[in-house]
Amino acid sequence: EAGVAQSPRYKIIEKRQSVAFWCNPISGHATLYWYQQILGQGPKLLIQFQNNGVVDDSQLPKDRFSAERLKGVDSTLKIQPAKLEDSAVYLCASSLDMSSYNEQFFGPGTRLTVL
Amino acid sequence: DAKTTQPPSMDCAEGRAANLPCNHSTISGNEYVYWYRQIHSQGPQYIIHGLKNNETNEMASLIITEDRKSSTLILPHATLRDTAVYYCIVNAGNMLTFGGGTRLMVKP
Repeated sequence: EAGVAQSPRYKIIEKRQSVAFWCNPISGHATLYWYQQILGQGPKLLIQFQNNGVVDDSQLPKDRFSAERLKGVDSTLKIQPAKLEDSAVYLCASSLDMSSYNEQFFGPGTRLTVL
Repeated sequence: DAKTTQPPSMDCAEGRAANLPCNHSTISGNEYVYWYRQIHSQGPQYIIHGLKNNETNEMASLIITEDRKSSTLILPHATLRDTAVYYCIVNAGNMLTFGGGTRLMVKP
């Protein structure tokens, strides 16, 4: 089966600009996650969707980050305006549902560099 | 904060077993132990998970102590492709909190 798709793979922007990332999860997966991974650290969960509803966005910096999953399939994560400290890899993952025994499948990530 | 403690790095000779330890002394009765790994420039990949019993799949074995305060991931015959960062995570639900992990270097 096809894996989690993300685009773009790389993005370079200047601070205060806007950027958007796109994720297409595995077909049939109800739960979608966005993670931020700063160089040298483990991934940090930003937001979790169940279908098109937000389950947890407690770690999302809502003053500049937003995410949506309008039809319960694809999702976009936006940063506006970007700061230098937003430089990181943004990972999207999906799972069948929120059951604890369901593994999460990760995409390749989008590497963002903010200059 | 991550609820696990792992050594920051380990080396293993190719073809030998790699034993990666993880301490989770504050684990609750309903929390699972998950292992994921992340090969350079890729997203994390699920390896295995368990609650109380030891588990084995085609990738690895998971040994959980009887008191559940620690566990060991075993890669029975490590290859160069197993070089990665290995994350041990404990959680009751399906939300993963990643710590720093163990950087495993498999050497020829």
